[in-house]
Amino acid sequence: NAGVTQTPKFQVLKTGQSMTLQCAQDMNHNSMYWYRQDPGMGLRLIYYSASEGTTDKGEVPNGYNVSRLNKREFSLRLESAAPSQTSVYFCASSASSGANVLTFGAGSRLTVL
Amino acid sequence: GENVEQHPSTLSVQEGDSAVIKCTYSDSASNYFPWYKQELGKRPQLIIDIRSNVGEKKDQRIAVTLNKTAKHFSLHITETQPEDSAVYFCAARRAGAGSYQLTFGKGTKLSVIP
Repeated sequence: NAGVTQTPKFQVLKTGQSMTLQCAQDMNHNSMYWYRQDPGMGLRLIYYSASEGTTDKGEVPNGYNVSRLNKREFSLRLESAAPSQTSVYFCASSASSGANVLTFGAGSRLTVL
Repeated sequence: GENVEQHPSTLSVQEGDSAVIKCTYSDSASNYFPWYKQELGKRPQLIIDIRSNVGEKKDQRIAVTLNKTAKHFSLHITETQPEDSAVYFCAARRAGAGSYQLTFGKGTKLSVIP
């Protein structure tokens, strides 16, 4: 099993450009999450989807949108990228919103110039 | 919301020594406390966790202790090895409504010197 797969692994954008980060899991998990990781800031939740058909804001949602396309896929979109969105993005999933263990993807490093 | 403070931000130990990382949390309703390890360039992975009805949990060379009254929990690594070098994150989650969200500490970079 692949677990949680994210694409792309690396991306460079110019300010104002848009892009979508893709995430897919093959573990039949109900809940999916997008985190960003910045130096010295830990992992901060951007958006999550407790189950197919639902999405909710996390700690730092501004500038992002998400789509839970189906049970397997959860995408993160930057409509107009800003330098402050330069970060490493991690997708994660868990069996349910109340389940304890998060399984993370390998991460996507985004640079906004 | 929950706030998790983690100390120290960096920690260097000699191989074979012990390492201790401490976290405090603010929400007394939190009842689940995991620790994640992130090696350089890799994804975070769960290494151990503890629930609020348990005071201590061990798994080989790692252990976690929890003090609910003081609202702090700690990771203990004994007989450290070079492969323990990584960034460690603590986290906390409350029970009940809103239990989806883990709040992470800012991380501790552990370096084990051979």
